[in-house]
Formats: sequence, C-alpha cells, structure tokens
Amino acid sequence: QVQLQESGPRLVKPSETLSLTCTVSGVSFSSHYWSWIRQSPGKGLEWLGFVDSSGPARYDPSLRSRLIISADTSKSQVSLRLSSVTVADTGVYYCASLRGYAYGFDSWGQGTLVTVSS
Amino acid sequence: DIVMTQSPAILSVSPGERATLSCRASQSVDNNLAWYQQRPGQAPRLLMQGASSRATGVPARFSGSGSGTDFTLIISSLQSEDFAVYFCQQYSVWPLTFGGGTKVEI
Repeated sequence: QVQLQESGPRLVKPSETLSLTCTVSGVSFSSHYWSWIRQSPGKGLEWLGFVDSSGPARYDPSLRSRLIISADTSKSQVSLRLSSVTVADTGVYYCASLRGYAYGFDSWGQGTLVTVSS
Repeated sequence: DIVMTQSPAILSVSPGERATLSCRASQSVDNNLAWYQQRPGQAPRLLMQGASSRATGVPARFSGSGSGTDFTLIISSLQSEDFAVYFCQQYSVWPLTFGGGTKVEI
C-alpha cells in the first residue's frame, strides 16, 4: 500500500522560501511519478508540478520561475521548494503519485497546511 | 490552460437517490479525465480515470462517461459515505487542471 507523508514548516514569512518533503513508502519509488498539488479556498486544487526518478521535473508555467521539485531515490523522497512566497501561496500542500502522464493521481498524502504570514 | 467547469456547484440529494455530476473542458481532452472524491478533512481520492475506468476499490455504483469536452459522473444510489465534494481533472495537456468541484449534500 502506497503511503505518502508530507513534512515541513507550517508557517513561512512572505518573501521567504517554502520547503516541503514527501516521504514515500510501500511502493517502488522509481515506478511512479511524484507530484505536488495544493488546495486553497480561493484557487481550488492546483497542480504544481511533477518529477520522476530519472527525467526533468515538469512545472505549472505560472510557478516555474519560483518552483523546484526534486526526487531523492535513495531516500524515497520528493521535495518542493517555492521561493518568494506571498499570502497567495497559503494552502494545503499534497504530495501525490501517478503511474505516468496518462493517469490520474492514484495515491495522496494527508496534506499539510502551510500559512504564509509575517 | 484548459479550464474545467463543473456543474452544479451544489447538488442536494437524498440517500438512495441517483446523482448526476457534470464536467466540461474548454477544449477537447479526449478521454484523459479523472474524477476524485474528497470528504471533509481528507485528501482527494481517485475514483475514475480514462473517463470511465473505476479505480481500485471503487464501488460499482460509481460510473463515468464522456469524451472530448463533456463528461458525467453518476452515483446510482447514494450512500451516506458518498456525501462529499467531487472534482474532475484533465491530464491531456500540461498544465494539469482541476474543476472547481461539486458538493453533494443531503
């Protein structure tokens, strides 16, 4: 059974960098793609980007200049770094898996609420 | 970006009744569409992908249909655990996009 667990600071100051880690268990890390999705009252569900164990990350174009998603196969972890955050980046951040580009997100972490505030 | 529009925003139904949820894409996504269920305080759960293929463990009372721009999710006989918010999502074109959701309530 695939398990995904997000971790990281819950409070980030404006203009700083939001960093989260997703730890994966119960599945071969290299057999899936790994994605970050966030949910906020104002914007609903937003796909941020994804990465697999071998290729380049893919990002939502609107965030590409601020976002880095990376995978550490040795630790079965996926990381997110979002720089220059504003209050608009407040939301619940989910880590999710998919088997490939032509599939839905089949497993999700429980999500972590990140608040951007001074 | 492809805009996904769901209707209605809120659907009021009684247990045992049938619920019909709609999702429309601003351009064709072929059958590259998924549906998710989200209960309060929980992460979304994949129900359907390929527009009509149920995910593992999803009850047969859930069915999906459609192709191109218009899609439907039907819950044939609502159970208490089905009262939740439902989202559609296209994975035909990047960036991947979600609909705004339909809340199914009593």
